[in-house]
Amino acid sequence: AQSVAQPEDQVNVAEGNPLTVKCTYSVSGNPYLFWYVQYPNRGLQFLLKYITGDNLVKGSYGFEAEFNKSQTSFHLKKPSALVSDSALYFCAVRVSSGNTPLVFGKGTRLSVIA
Amino acid sequence: DGGITQSPKYLFRKEGQNVTLSCEQNLNHDAMYWYRQDPGQGLRLIYYSQIVNDFQKGDIAEGYSVSREKKESFPLTVTSAQKNPTAFYLCASSSGGWPEAFFGQGTRLTVV
Repeated sequence: AQSVAQPEDQVNVAEGNPLTVKCTYSVSGNPYLFWYVQYPNRGLQFLLKYITGDNLVKGSYGFEAEFNKSQTSFHLKKPSALVSDSALYFCAVRVSSGNTPLVFGKGTRLSVIA
Repeated sequence: DGGITQSPKYLFRKEGQNVTLSCEQNLNHDAMYWYRQDPGQGLRLIYYSQIVNDFQKGDIAEGYSVSREKKESFPLTVTSAQKNPTAFYLCASSSGGWPEAFFGQGTRLTVV
């Protein structure tokens, strides 16, 4: 069975400071890993994905994530946070074979304070 | 524009009624999914379909039904057997060539 853990319900960061949103996963086989962002009363927007290759993945809006196989982690990062980054962030995983559903974490609410 | 369209955006249901949420995609994706979102619980999978005329139960299928008669459509019916249907419902689709799923804008269902 696949699972995702986002250990922090809420992350607060000052504008201009670096941010990290944590994610760990469990999957049988090779994982595909994803980050999505959600604004109030909206659907999920895709940010970035890890499929294979370079462990540092760059995505939309200046976000990046680092895949760490030994720690089974896929933390989301951004060097300098913006107030507009405030939103709900979801980490997701699926196995690499087949067109199977994504399994999501419970989400982390990011608040960037001016 | 290509994408996933969910309708309606807001839906109110009286207790004991069945309601159907619409999800249409023009991305030519084979797979479609329904998730339920509740505060603090993330997204939970209700049903998914990997091909027309076939679908599988997810983690919380009780009280819901789906059909997949056309590739572009995957409606979700919330039946009266669903005891706590008030939630935000999200539809998504994906294809074998793109591992990420693409989401609609959601339908907020409220029982009145």
